[in-house]
Amino acid sequence: QVQLQQWGAGLLRPSETLSLTCNMSGGSFSGYFWSWIRQPPGKGLEWIGEISHSGFTNSNPSLKSRLTISIDTSKRQFSLRLNSVTAADTAIYYCARAAVMVRGLTPTPGWFAPWGQGTLVTVSS
Amino acid sequence: DIVMTQSPDSLPVSLGERATINCKSSQSVLSSSDNKNFLSWYQQRPGQPPKLLIYWASTRESGVPERFSASGSETDFTLTISSLQAEDVAVYYCQQYYSFPCTFGQGTRLEIK
Repeated sequence: QVQLQQWGAGLLRPSETLSLTCNMSGGSFSGYFWSWIRQPPGKGLEWIGEISHSGFTNSNPSLKSRLTISIDTSKRQFSLRLNSVTAADTAIYYCARAAVMVRGLTPTPGWFAPWGQGTLVTVSS
Repeated sequence: DIVMTQSPDSLPVSLGERATINCKSSQSVLSSSDNKNFLSWYQQRPGQPPKLLIYWASTRESGVPERFSASGSETDFTLTISSLQAEDVAVYYCQQYYSFPCTFGQGTRLEIK
């Protein structure tokens, strides 16, 4: 079965760039979106963005200007970069596999399963 | 964005009793073309990532116990645990994937009474 293992820096200063990587094992990249979701401490879930095996990306409009998601299928990894972070970006960041929904002109994410273990990223001066 | 509102925020239930969690969307998530509700449910145990329980509003994910069921359509949805077990203590989230971007409810904390 698919397993996701993620890593990245856990403490950042304001204005720095958040960088996380997720390794996928036990399955194929094709036919799914590979997503990032975050959860501020004690709060709910926010979808960040995603990438397909071919490099097609979707991003949450609220984060799009600061966001880069990339994929390296040869390494079985996909990555998140969020620049110019502030304290509001403090959260647990999860990678996850998403089902692909095709209802309009572009595919969008469906449900998420499985999820990575999560990485707490704290932004503090 | 579609706003997902769950109720209650916290739900104390005795072991063996039924637990019911509600989720309301600010607009319909029912696709008329294929008659499917674009809604899922997740369980997040303390210190763990969320786990998918239900998709298409009522389809149980493989391996999810039969005591978990879900129903609803358009804007009103329900997750039911028929007989609460100790391991069901968690926060439960609904998610809509009908409209971009997908959005989650604020969560319902299920605890033992």
